[in-house]
Amino acid sequence: AQSVTQLGSHVSVSEGALVLLRCNYSSSVPPYLFWYVQYPNQGLQLLLKYTTGATLVKGINGFEAEFKKSETSFHLTKPSAHMSDAAEYFCAVAGGGKLIFGQGTELSVKP
Amino acid sequence: GAGVSQSPSNKVTEKGKDVELRCDPISGHTALYWYRQSLGQGLEFLIYFQGNSAPDKSGLPSDRFSAERTGGSVSTLTIQRTQQEDSAVYLCASSLGTSGTGATGELFFGEGSRLTVL
Repeated sequence: AQSVTQLGSHVSVSEGALVLLRCNYSSSVPPYLFWYVQYPNQGLQLLLKYTTGATLVKGINGFEAEFKKSETSFHLTKPSAHMSDAAEYFCAVAGGGKLIFGQGTELSVKP
Repeated sequence: GAGVSQSPSNKVTEKGKDVELRCDPISGHTALYWYRQSLGQGLEFLIYFQGNSAPDKSGLPSDRFSAERTGGSVSTLTIQRTQQEDSAVYLCASSLGTSGTGATGELFFGEGSRLTVL
């Protein structure tokens, strides 16, 4: 069965610093992987997804993620954090006709 | 509609009462999903529909929970005899299901229905 694990329920960075949110997956088949963002009091919005092809995936708002099969990882990065990036981030893997989400990582950005 | 619409946005009820939560998916989306988001619990899958059928309802926590979808469109999640542990945000999402494979693509989420059971 597919699953994802997000390392760190809470990450805090300074404005302008690198953002790194970690996600490891488990899948018995080639995975489809997703990162979603949830701003306060809003629904989830897709940041980026990996299905096949290029392993470095670029998404909205300057985020990107790299699929590393050997490490079963799909970490999310952004070179320079903005205050507006403060939100909760969810990694997900497709399996059994649905998305299976991680526990989420809350990102705080300090001025 | 332009996006996934959920109603009510907020519901406060007393323990033991029944509640109904409604989801109106994006027009043309054949797959519809219900998730539950509790504080510190992430997103918990409840059930998904492909058309009017529910291939996977394994996430429904108990027989007090049920869901239906009619006309391949609107879905209703019903919770009977609500308990305090049912308090959560219930999220609905829809997607363009292909060949019954469901979530190989993007899910579009509504803003959720926040349920508080007193």
